[in-house]
Amino acid sequence: QSALTQPASVSGSPGQSITISCTGSSSDIGGTIYVSWYQQHPGKAPKLLIYEVSNRPSGISSRFSGSKSGNTASLSISGLQAEDEADYYCISYTNTNTLVIFGGGTKLTVL
Amino acid sequence: QLQLQESGPGLVRPSETLALTCTLSSGSVSSNSYYWGWIRQPPGKGLEWIGSIYYSGKTYSNPSLRSRVTLSLGTSKNQFSLELSSVTASDTAVYFCARLSAATIKFDYWGLGVLVTVSS
Repeated sequence: QSALTQPASVSGSPGQSITISCTGSSSDIGGTIYVSWYQQHPGKAPKLLIYEVSNRPSGISSRFSGSKSGNTASLSISGLQAEDEADYYCISYTNTNTLVIFGGGTKLTVL
Repeated sequence: QLQLQESGPGLVRPSETLALTCTLSSGSVSSNSYYWGWIRQPPGKGLEWIGSIYYSGKTYSNPSLRSRVTLSLGTSKNQFSLELSSVTASDTAVYFCARLSAATIKFDYWGLGVLVTVSS
């Protein structure tokens, strides 16, 4: 089972917007609404940011948004802040007999 | 607010079995609304899903680990466990337990994680 493909790193300056992509296949991202995104700061547990492609849990800033086109999901962060510097992971339901598949993670650097 | 807590040995010898337990602060693993899962993170690397177990006992696991993974629900309704057999140094990682919503397939609650080192 190959992981979902994410860029290893992205960067942006405070106030700017960035987008992180997550590419899979028709067996996962392309065939489901169950795509979620997580933020992980060093030494901490991951935190849910987005679920069902574009829904935000209570308490998550509207600066975070999700979308999907075909086999690729995307996480966008607007108005970058220093505290957004972290690792970001996508996770998708998969219709194989595995249940879920993870992305390799993207390190966001706020310049 | 649900809390999950991993527990188990911090050091495991090569070729032995790694065993961890996750304890819920409230609720029950018997709910049909959730899967209960394990995710690990080797030092400096990304997250790797190990597997998840449903209230019925049905399990799902990462194909790369499937032959070595055993997931189980505890006899006390607020625990579930992981066993990983024949460990090597490459199994050294922080191990997280997490709740996966069955309806929305989102990991909404995570434990803090526990570092397990495989070394002789």
